[in-house]
Formats: sequence, structure tokens, C-alpha cells
Amino acid sequence: AQKITQTQPGMFVQEKEAVTLDCTYDTSDQSYGLFWYKQPSSGEMIFLIYQGSYDEQNATEGRYSLNFQKARKSANLVISASQLGDSAMYFCAMREFSISSGSARQLTFGSGTQLTVLP
Amino acid sequence: DAGVIQSPRHEVTEMGQEVTLRCKPISGHDYLFWYRQTMMRGLELLIYFNNNVPIDDSGMPEDRFSAKMPNASFSTLKIQPSEPRDSAVYFCASSFPPRGRVDTIYFGEGSWLTVV
Repeated sequence: AQKITQTQPGMFVQEKEAVTLDCTYDTSDQSYGLFWYKQPSSGEMIFLIYQGSYDEQNATEGRYSLNFQKARKSANLVISASQLGDSAMYFCAMREFSISSGSARQLTFGSGTQLTVLP
Repeated sequence: DAGVIQSPRHEVTEMGQEVTLRCKPISGHDYLFWYRQTMMRGLELLIYFNNNVPIDDSGMPEDRFSAKMPNASFSTLKIQPSEPRDSAVYFCASSFPPRGRVDTIYFGEGSWLTVV
């Protein structure tokens, strides 16, 4: 079963408007972290934002915010005031923690959403 | 601050040749990951290390692939012999262990491998 699901292969948004990129996840662990990365056409993976499973408040980083709904197992990325430079592929990822061993596992990625910001 | 450093950035090699990709993690990070990205399969974990010890190598495609981490500041991913289907972008990433509310995994710029 897919651990991370991004159902929007592509999205378009008008410059200066807000956009929401969807992400749902599946885990039986109580402790985990959710990440969003941006991958522009140049190929690098840029960390955007992180949400821990025990965090009660939604994470925010500048124009990025993470709409975390734990009961629904969703972690949507909201980009406010879109800019042309936001055009890129966006990946949602999850990292599970093993409380018993005290160790963290690897990042598991979704398939990505290609965002295009229109002038 | 230096990020995760990968080399080479680009490599074109002939089928059957040995390829070695290198990674220097961020100083102090004790987790190191190797990922492969292709159009068909997306981002796949190949192997990850914790304190230089391989923890999970179930993603390594086959015996042609091997990875080592001889010390905390260096890792290699080797493909021998290489095949055209190995053409992909190979990312190295590193992190601290998660600390309370904080966790970040940083990626290198990737090594773009083409096997002809």
C-alpha cells in the first residue's frame, strides 16, 4: 500500500493567488514527521517545511504552511501569494520513528505534484 | 554552511563500466541516505546508514550495487557493472536524529548518471 499519496499530478495557479497541494499518508506509528520538498527544473531537492505528528499547531515557514489534519491523515501544503519562481515539482514525504528502538527510518516520498504558476 | 556535497555532478559512462558516486554529509549528521530518482519509479530509497552502519539496504536493486560509509564524513555508492537502466539521478541526503519537534533531512544536488 502507498504510504504517501499525492493525487494531483499537475496544478496551475495564477500569480499572487494561494494554492493547496494535497497529501495523504498511511502509518500505524504514533510518532512520525511529514515533510515537503520543492524540486525545480534544475533538479535539486529543497526542504520547505516540517510537521511532527505530536505538533498541535500547523507548521508555517514564510509563505508556506502545512495544513495538518491528523485524524484524516492529511498534510496539505498551502503556498500563499504564489510567485513565478514557485513553479516546480513538489514532493510530500514521511519519516516514521521507532519509539521502541529510538531510531528514525527513511523518508518515503509521494509521486509529486507539478505546480505551474501563471503570470 | 556547507550542505551535502555529491560528486560527480554529471557522469556519462559506457555499459559495463564501474561507476562510483561520492557523498560528504553535513558535519555532525549521523544519518545518511542514498536515493535514486527516475521518471518511471520516482524517488526510491536505496540504502541508509546510521552512525556509519547500514540500517536498511532493501532498496538496493541487485548485487551490482554496493554502498559503504567508512567514516562519518564520507560515503560511496558503487555500481559494477553499470547498465543503461541504471541511468538516473542519485541523491545523497543526511540528517541528525529527530530531536523533539525538529527534524530535517537535507539533500545534495544529485549525481546525474547516464549509462550508454
